[in-house]
Amino acid sequence: DAKTTQPPSMDCAEGRAANLPCNHSTISGNEYVYWYRQIHSQGPQYIIHGLKNNETNEMASLIITEDRKSSTLILPHATLRDTAVYYCIVRVAYGDSSYKLIFGSGTRLLVRP
Amino acid sequence: DAGVIQSPRHEVTEMGQEVTLRCKPISGHDYLFWYRQTMMRGLELLIYFNNNVPIDDSGMPEDRFSAKMPNASFSTLKIQPSEPRDSAVYFCASSPRAGGRVHFGPGTRLTVT
Repeated sequence: DAKTTQPPSMDCAEGRAANLPCNHSTISGNEYVYWYRQIHSQGPQYIIHGLKNNETNEMASLIITEDRKSSTLILPHATLRDTAVYYCIVRVAYGDSSYKLIFGSGTRLLVRP
Repeated sequence: DAGVIQSPRHEVTEMGQEVTLRCKPISGHDYLFWYRQTMMRGLELLIYFNNNVPIDDSGMPEDRFSAKMPNASFSTLKIQPSEPRDSAVYFCASSPRAGGRVHFGPGTRLTVT
């Protein structure tokens, strides 16, 4: 299973962009990168996912390097409500098309007023 | 859409008692997952189902834990007998297909005294 490495904690100022890095150097060609976040003790919330190309949605942007060994989640204008633990996950796929999301320890993002 | 529904939200029980956690996935979702979260071990996948059939239960800690999915709209996670080290937040999640977004419920906080 491809492993991910994230910094344990980061902080940024409210209104500024938050750039959260993730290393996944052993990722396979057909494995996706997913990002989830967990606010306080709520259930994890889906943010975005991608395979090769950069992706953007209403919540964030995902930048994946050309060699796919790392990625960056960008929250363009962080707010206090974005304070959460952010998980970078490589989706493990199996022969029957089933898959598992395996969570690591994530990055604790603190958005400062 | 009510999202994934879990009950109870909080459960306090004494060591040795049987505990049953319940989950109603999002209608139309084929996959159902049970996760456990503790401070020490983070988010762990316990078991997941595809079309009501258990696919992978390798994360179930021991024989005291069992999970069932009698139909597409209901699943249970049972612990018998419960132990203090089972204290954790248990999340149920569902997704519409392999590779689809995984939607998490609010969790059940279990305390075993």
